[in-house]
Amino acid sequence: NAGVTQTPKFQVLKTGQSMTLQCAQDMNHNSMYWYRQDPGMGLRLIYYSASEGTTDKGEVPNGYNVSRLNKREFSLRLESAAPSQTSVYFCASTPPVWGPNEKLFFGSGTQLSVL
Amino acid sequence: AQSVAQPEDQVNVAEGNPLTVKCTYSVSGNPYLFWYVQYPNRGLQFLLKYITGDNLVKGSYGFEAEFNKSQTSFHLKKPSALVSDSALYFCAVRDISRGSTLGRLYFGRGTQLTVWP
Repeated sequence: NAGVTQTPKFQVLKTGQSMTLQCAQDMNHNSMYWYRQDPGMGLRLIYYSASEGTTDKGEVPNGYNVSRLNKREFSLRLESAAPSQTSVYFCASTPPVWGPNEKLFFGSGTQLSVL
Repeated sequence: AQSVAQPEDQVNVAEGNPLTVKCTYSVSGNPYLFWYVQYPNRGLQFLLKYITGDNLVKGSYGFEAEFNKSQTSFHLKKPSALVSDSALYFCAVRDISRGSTLGRLYFGRGTQLTVWP
């Protein structure tokens, strides 16, 4: 059981280049999320998808787009990368329950550097 | 607005001693509170959470946390630290008032715990 899988693990881009971060989960979760982690700032939500076919902005959506391709896959796209987008990106998912069974399952992250 | 504060960037403790990692929160409604741990080059792993009921919550690896509503705190504790507990710890909150979104957590900055042998 792989859980949440992210690709690639590392990426270096030049300013202005584009790329897509891929995420897939095999736990049949409805909701998926993209967070970014910056030193001294914790994790901040970029976009999320409550269910297949829906996406919504989080705290820091500017410069990003997302696609919920199907129930398993949720991709994050940088159309024109900027140095401010240098960060570690985490994909996460959660089962569709509130309360006792509520928790996020995280992927292992993508370390992105924009030069 | 929802927010979490972890006042210590770093906590150092000797193996075998008790450890505390502090967290305070701010929400307008009722909180769900979480602790996650991150080992080097890994994603975050769930440790424990408070949703309602008993203020003392027990979690994985011998960790526990105490919810204190009057002090708006949710400190993480362990009676006897292990070297293998060394990691980055994040506190997170979700305001479960009306309109709250499942999985939309607000994280603290993180506290680096180092346990010395």
